[in-house]
Amino acid sequence: QVQLQESSPGLVKPSETLSLTCSVSHYSISSNYYWGWIRQTPGKGLEWIGSLSHRGTTYYNPSLRSRLTMSVDTSKNHFSLRLTSVTAADTAVYFCARGGNVGSGWGFDSWGQGVLVAVSS
Amino acid sequence: SYGLTQPPSVSVSPGQTASISCSAEKVEDKYVCWYQQKSGQSPVLVIYQNAKRPSGIPERFSGSNSGNTATLTIRGTQAMDEADYYCQAWDSNTVVFGGGTTLTV
Repeated sequence: QVQLQESSPGLVKPSETLSLTCSVSHYSISSNYYWGWIRQTPGKGLEWIGSLSHRGTTYYNPSLRSRLTMSVDTSKNHFSLRLTSVTAADTAVYFCARGGNVGSGWGFDSWGQGVLVAVSS
Repeated sequence: SYGLTQPPSVSVSPGQTASISCSAEKVEDKYVCWYQQKSGQSPVLVIYQNAKRPSGIPERFSGSNSGNTATLTIRGTQAMDEADYYCQAWDSNTVVFGGGTTLTV
């Protein structure tokens, strides 16, 4: 069964760059599916950050697009997120997940355990 | 931007049927998924493509999508079903989540 595990930067200073990596086990990231990032502010709902394919096709949340870069490394079977110029509003639990293509209706069927990223000086 | 509206909370007695709505204009034109999230855990997909259940999801979970409302129905609700539930759809190459509904059993 596929397993996803987020890296954990823990604390990031305001105006700096948040970097996360999701390592995928027991499934080749080069196979079908898209790979996504979702975050959740403590006590609040889910917010989609973006999704990408193993070929590097990306879809980003419009509200984050100007600060966001997602990439995939098939040789390491992992994918990554970089969010620049972070503020306290970016403090959240970040999840990586496996999902379907645009409009496919497949949903995110496997999730990592999530990591708390705090933005604070 | 496209928004999915859910009631903040729904209460149901054990053994009864719980219905959670997810509303948006012409949501029937989109595929809707549903997630269950228990306290301190990652979300779990319980319905995809409006009405399909992933392997391992009990038959008491079902979904429908018509007009401006998608609905998650839980028949014979059990105490273990107490959780937050989120609907999700794709719109213009973006993923949209509803605000979530807390189900109290």
